[in-house]
Amino acid sequence: NAGVTQTPKFQVLKTGQSMTLQCAQDMNHEYMSWYRQDPGMGLRLIHYSVGAGITDQGEVPNGYNVSRSTTEDFPLRLLSAAPSQTSVYFCASSYFYWNTGELFFGEGSRLTVL
Amino acid sequence: KQEVTQIPAALSVPEGENLVLNCSFTDSAIYNLQWFRQDPGKGLTSLLLIQSSQREQTSGRLNASLDKSSGRSTLYIAASQPGDSATYLCAPVLTQGGSEKLVFGKGTKLTVNP
Repeated sequence: NAGVTQTPKFQVLKTGQSMTLQCAQDMNHEYMSWYRQDPGMGLRLIHYSVGAGITDQGEVPNGYNVSRSTTEDFPLRLLSAAPSQTSVYFCASSYFYWNTGELFFGEGSRLTVL
Repeated sequence: KQEVTQIPAALSVPEGENLVLNCSFTDSAIYNLQWFRQDPGKGLTSLLLIQSSQREQTSGRLNASLDKSSGRSTLYIAASQPGDSATYLCAPVLTQGGSEKLVFGKGTKLTVNP
């Protein structure tokens, strides 16, 4: 049982490039979400999903896209990377319909945009 | 705006000491509250989840309490060990306008010295 798996762990991009952060969970959780963590800002919700085919915006969604074609996977796409998107990104999942249950986190993806 | 404050921001104690980490939130309409641990360069690990109907939860040397009326939660760590060194974050699920929102504090960085 791997839990929540994120790839890649580290990535360096140039401004304007696009990329996808991958997130997979093997716990059959309905709820999945993406957060970014910045020094002095705490964790902020980017996008979330309450099941396959259903996604919604969080607190800071601009510049990011998501889709949920399967229960297991929830990729986060950066359309045109900007230096302001330099951050550590965390994927999280929960058994419950909303984020009111115990959250399980991946180990993070550290992104640097030059 | 819903806010979560954790005091102190950093704490350094000798091994064996009992300690208390504090979390306060601005909204008393709380659904539940989680305490997380984050090790450097790692994701968050859920330590304790307290439902709104509960006053406290215990797991090993950890005890978390919740006082909804005053908007406070504390995490008590007994007989601290160097392995407890990490950042501890609290995250209440606050209810406002019929929806629930998970809000993270910025954390308390704990160092336990041998």
